[in-house]
Amino acid sequence: QKEVEQDPGPLSVPEGAIVSLNCTYSNSAFQYFMWYRQYSRKGPELLMYTYSSGNKEDGRFTAQVDKSSKYISLFIRDSQPSDSATYLCAMSGGSGSARQLTFGSGTQLTVLP
Amino acid sequence: SAVISQKPSRDICQRGTSLTIQCQVDSQVTMMFWYRQQPGQSLTLIATANQGSEATYESGFVIDKFPISRPNLTFSTLTVSNMSPEDSSIYLCSVPRSGGSTDTQYFGPGTRLTVL
Repeated sequence: QKEVEQDPGPLSVPEGAIVSLNCTYSNSAFQYFMWYRQYSRKGPELLMYTYSSGNKEDGRFTAQVDKSSKYISLFIRDSQPSDSATYLCAMSGGSGSARQLTFGSGTQLTVLP
Repeated sequence: SAVISQKPSRDICQRGTSLTIQCQVDSQVTMMFWYRQQPGQSLTLIATANQGSEATYESGFVIDKFPISRPNLTFSTLTVSNMSPEDSSIYLCSVPRSGGSTDTQYFGPGTRLTVL
């Protein structure tokens, strides 16, 4: 079993839809949770970062962490074609070096105009 | 956030040759990381490069295949040696978000390598 599981998609939605992206994990020591956005042929861009459980909102993006369920989500409201990218969840704080990030496999999102 | 550049942005190489990838950061950082992203896959950490000491390699990666240099606090190189088509990937460097606390990382644009 992978430490971090992410639905690979692809996910296709119409412009303006609410998008929900999710990851589950097995390592209860993870404390830091991130979402990266990766456009085609580009490096990952840090989108959201949360520590421990709770919600964090930034514009159209909301990150949720539920440590009791080992489940994290990224919600995108009023999705735009410019949101079309691969979204990677990542976590750190597990066993070994806290500096290591463990990534999900990524979800490819397409927002249709 | 840190500004990270990588050279080359892409390359096509022949089997058996080596390629050195450069990573430059606009601020001094203690740690730099090198990742590989194979086609359709997520990111896998290759090694951690500390200035003034040997790089620390993850399981499955060895120094002979991926030698790393870290001559100063803003620069690092990764060499992919004796390449085979299986080395075709995007290679990414990253740095911690802040100081020595690496709760998260910023990534460079990546080097897209194709080995024929």
